[in-house]
Amino acid sequence: GQQVMQIPQYQHVQEGEDFTTYCNSSTTLSNIQWYKQRPGGHPVFLIQLVKSGEVKKQKRLTFQFGEAKKNSSLHITATQTTDVGTYFCAGEGTGFQKLVFGTGTRLLVSP
Amino acid sequence: DAGVIQSPRHEVTEMGQEVTLRCKPISGHNSLFWYRQTMMRGLELLIYFNNNVPIDDSGMPEDRFSAKMPNASFSTLKIQPSEPRDSAVYFCASSLLFHEQYFGPGTRLTVT
Repeated sequence: GQQVMQIPQYQHVQEGEDFTTYCNSSTTLSNIQWYKQRPGGHPVFLIQLVKSGEVKKQKRLTFQFGEAKKNSSLHITATQTTDVGTYFCAGEGTGFQKLVFGTGTRLLVSP
Repeated sequence: DAGVIQSPRHEVTEMGQEVTLRCKPISGHNSLFWYRQTMMRGLELLIYFNNNVPIDDSGMPEDRFSAKMPNASFSTLKIQPSEPRDSAVYFCASSLLFHEQYFGPGTRLTVT
């Protein structure tokens, strides 16, 4: 079945440093979504990417969808303590398949 | 909109007891998902419904787990009998199919 892996599993940065998490699917995706889960909270939708090679920005966050639609990345510029949490990608296979969540990357930001 | 509502927020029960988790999706959403989250296994999809019909229950661990969606505004996830390894946070999420999912606050289940 479809598998979605993320690296790294965990990253600890100093406030102001950049952060990137990478997402890789075993199969071609129709779209990919990104979610953020704060400690003790629930996953919250950030963005959806649909097109091959698509790049979207939300303030300090930049999301990319790979040309082959099998990988994606999330880059945070100049991290802040409010960025702390676990970031999940979630891929939807082609042909009305269910959304499969990645393993997540836990980000810790020290002031 | 109140968002996805789950109850109870916390449940502590003894092994062998029946546990029922409840979910009210966002009004107008036609898809509902049940997830389980643990440190070891991450976020796992257990089952999802589209227009109240179960579409994929391949993630349901075993026959002790069952889920129902009698109408568009209510779903239950039942575990009978419960076991300590069922301890986890259970999330319900709803969406318009193939769009972003809105998660509820979760139910933290502890089985002793």
